[in-house]
Amino acid sequence: AQSVSQHNHHVILSEAASLELGCNYSYGGTVNLFWYVQYPGQHLQLLLKYFSGDPLVKGIKGFEAEFIKSKFSFNLRKPSVQWSDTAEYFCAVNSNAGKSTFGDGTTLTVKP
Amino acid sequence: KAGVTQTPRYLIKTRGQQVTLSCSPISGHRSVSWYQQTPGQGLQFLFEYFSETQRNKGNFPGRFSGRQFSNSRSEMNVSTLELGDSALYLCASSPTPAETQYFGPGTRLLVL
Repeated sequence: AQSVSQHNHHVILSEAASLELGCNYSYGGTVNLFWYVQYPGQHLQLLLKYFSGDPLVKGIKGFEAEFIKSKFSFNLRKPSVQWSDTAEYFCAVNSNAGKSTFGDGTTLTVKP
Repeated sequence: KAGVTQTPRYLIKTRGQQVTLSCSPISGHRSVSWYQQTPGQGLQFLFEYFSETQRNKGNFPGRFSGRQFSNSRSEMNVSTLELGDSALYLCASSPTPAETQYFGPGTRLLVL
């Protein structure tokens, strides 16, 4: 069975600080990996995704994530956060069977 | 393209009643997934439909059911409502399973 673990439940940073959110998954086969973001009062939306190829993927708003297959990890990073990055971030795994599994989410609060 | 639409947006029911929620996917998307989102449990996968067939089902009791129509629209039904069913129910569509999911605004269900 698939599972996703996000290490941090709540992260508080000051503007311009660097961000790294951890995500580990458990699945024996090929997976597609996603980070979704939910800004206050808005829908869940895709931040970035990895299907294949370069394990370092870039998404919207300066976010990037690195897939490390040997560690079953897909950590999200941003060099310098802004107040507008305050949101809840979800890591998700989807196998070719189609079922998506989401992590519990990490709430990021950026202090101005 | 219009996004994923869900109706109704808000619903108040009492214990023991049943409820039907509707989801219209993005035009051309044939895969629809349903999730339950609560503060304590995060995003929990309910089921996934593709071409009118249920492909995957999460760990929810049989009171939760769904279906997909030939136009890809989907409905989910919850019978004999319990207080714990109070949640935000999210629908997501994608062109095919395992691709990026696009989320609707959700239906917020309150069971009294």
